Formats: sequence, C-alpha cells, structure tokens
Amino acid sequence: GAVVSQHPSWVICKSGTSVKIECRSLDFQATTMFWYRQFPKQSLMLMATSNEGSKATYEQGVEKDKFLINHASLTLSTLTVTSAHPEDSSFYICSANPGQGASYEQYFGPGTRLTVT
Amino acid sequence: GDSVTQMEGPVTLSEEAFLTINCTYTATGYPSLFWYVQYPGEGLQLLLKATKADDKGSNKGFEATYRKETTSFHLEKGSVQVSDSAVYFCSSKTDSWGKLQFGAGTQVVVTP
Repeated sequence: GAVVSQHPSWVICKSGTSVKIECRSLDFQATTMFWYRQFPKQSLMLMATSNEGSKATYEQGVEKDKFLINHASLTLSTLTVTSAHPEDSSFYICSANPGQGASYEQYFGPGTRLTVT
Repeated sequence: GDSVTQMEGPVTLSEEAFLTINCTYTATGYPSLFWYVQYPGEGLQLLLKATKADDKGSNKGFEATYRKETTSFHLEKGSVQVSDSAVYFCSSKTDSWGKLQFGAGTQVVVTP
C-alpha cells in the first residue's frame, strides 16, 4: 500500500528557533498534501493544503508566515515552524493524495511530535 | 459548511463486547466517508471507507454502512479485542482537492 513518511518523528527545540518537518510519499506521487495539527486528546485541525509547484492554501486562523509550507516536488512537502514558541508544541501530521477527487484515499504520515522549550 | 459529528468518548468495553460508534455528517454534495483509527503516539490509519450511498465498508471485523437517508456512517464491531483500544475518527470528503472533515474522535478502551 501507499506509504507516507515524516521526518523527524520527534523534535525538541528552543524558543525562537525554527524547525523543519518533512513529509514524503514513498511510492506514489502526490499533487496535494495536507498538514494537520493535533492537540492532546483532540481531533485533527487542518492547517493548510499544499499543492506541488504553487503556494499553499492556509486555513482561517493559521499564520502563514509562522508555518511555512513548501511543496517542492511531487513526493515532498515541508512544514517549517518559524520562531517557535512553547504554544507551538503539538503533534503535526501530514497526509497525501495520490490523485484528485473525493473518492481518492488520503494516506497519513506517522506524525511528528514537536516540543518547544 | 460540511461537518462530521460523532459520539463522545471514552467508550469502555470488556473484551468480546459489541462496539458501536455513531457518526453523522452534513454535506452539500455527496461525500465519501471514512473511518480512521489512531493508536497511541501514531498517525492515522484508514480503517474502512464507503464512497456512495448503501455501500458497506469493512475491515478487521469492523463495518460501517453509508446511509444517505439518515446521513450516518456508524461504526460497528461484533466482538472487540484489547488491541482495538484506540481513538476512532469519522470523516467525510467532498472537496475535489481531497480535504477531509473530521469528527472529534472517540476513544475506545477495551479491558480484558
């Protein structure tokens, strides 16, 4: 089956620094990738939709200058948390679509646990 | 807008008990419906899906039927195991880009 990987699986960084999270589709091409944020014991909150070769579309309330998304190729999207603060600590999950349309299954990465100290 | 509502947890069951998690949706179009499962510390895994009315998705003993008339997609399993302990998310998708709407998630705890 289709596999999506994330790197790193967990990261600890100091306040004020930036951290980059990678999301890769390993055995398929993904024109669209999604980034989610999940707080403890809560549902997933969609942050942005990432389309290869174009700017990401951010959901309302998500700061695009803080959460930089780059979808440089059909198999790689990156999320950079800039000037991180403790409130950015969360579980970040990406997903990828192998094609367009509502019937296509979305494949999820295993998530990245970010802790900002 | 589109939304998904599912029953709140946690749901605590004994092994071999019957599990039902209710899920209803609202959508302007005809969504595809999904159940995802999340084990502790992990990402989401697709459990089952249905893409049109009256479709039944099934996997690992779990079943859910797409009911257009009641806009529901309830998850059921006849005999749960301890290994089924996880958080279950109901979701819908109508967006052509594939954007998913998630329910709040239901934690299921199965005790021996």
